[in-house]
Amino acid sequence: GQNIDQPTEMTATEGAIVQINCTYQTSGFNGLFWYQQHAGEAPTFLSYNVLDGLEEKGRFSSFLSRSKGYSYLLLKELQMKDSASYLCAVEDSNYQLIWGAGTKLIIKP
Amino acid sequence: TAGITQAPTSQILAAGRSMTLRCTQDMRHNAMYWYRQDLGLGLRLIHYSNTAGTTGKGEVPDGYSVSRANTDDFPLTLASAVPSQTSVYFCASSDSSTSGANVLTFGAGSRLTVL
Repeated sequence: GQNIDQPTEMTATEGAIVQINCTYQTSGFNGLFWYQQHAGEAPTFLSYNVLDGLEEKGRFSSFLSRSKGYSYLLLKELQMKDSASYLCAVEDSNYQLIWGAGTKLIIKP
Repeated sequence: TAGITQAPTSQILAAGRSMTLRCTQDMRHNAMYWYRQDLGLGLRLIHYSNTAGTTGKGEVPDGYSVSRANTDDFPLTLASAVPSQTSVYFCASSDSSTSGANVLTFGAGSRLTVL
């Protein structure tokens, strides 16, 4: 079956760096997405990786290793507003998105 | 403001009753989707539409139906609600006709409670 694994919850300190991991087993691969979802709100797009390597976008970076079925989202200079759930999703060979359950990130002052 | 509008925001429904969740987008996206989000689970696709006039079943379609009469609207209907359909429902759209990442834009969600 298809599976996306990511930690349920993580805690980090304001100003610090946190890495949220995502491992996947899917029927084919057409890209990996990270979305941010604040409590009670809609998910919003953060990043997309289709080739191996690191994609940097401001304080957020996303890494992909297709051979290992692994990605991480790196958040630097954490701010209180980064408290949210982070959703990992993989587009399979049928162009369907398979979603992880999300990682709830708690930022402490 | 461009985006997706969902209605109602929340609803309490008696089991056995029917309900239609409305979804309208103004971005002229060709593809639209309905997901449900439950605690501890990833988003699960209910139904989708790649273009006006066509629909397809997702991972959890039973008990739900959709229609896509035009580009902008994609209503989701529960014919006879059951308590297991208590969830938060998200409508989303994307411009899947172009190359590159198929990025989804989500509506604000509809929280449905079936008693």
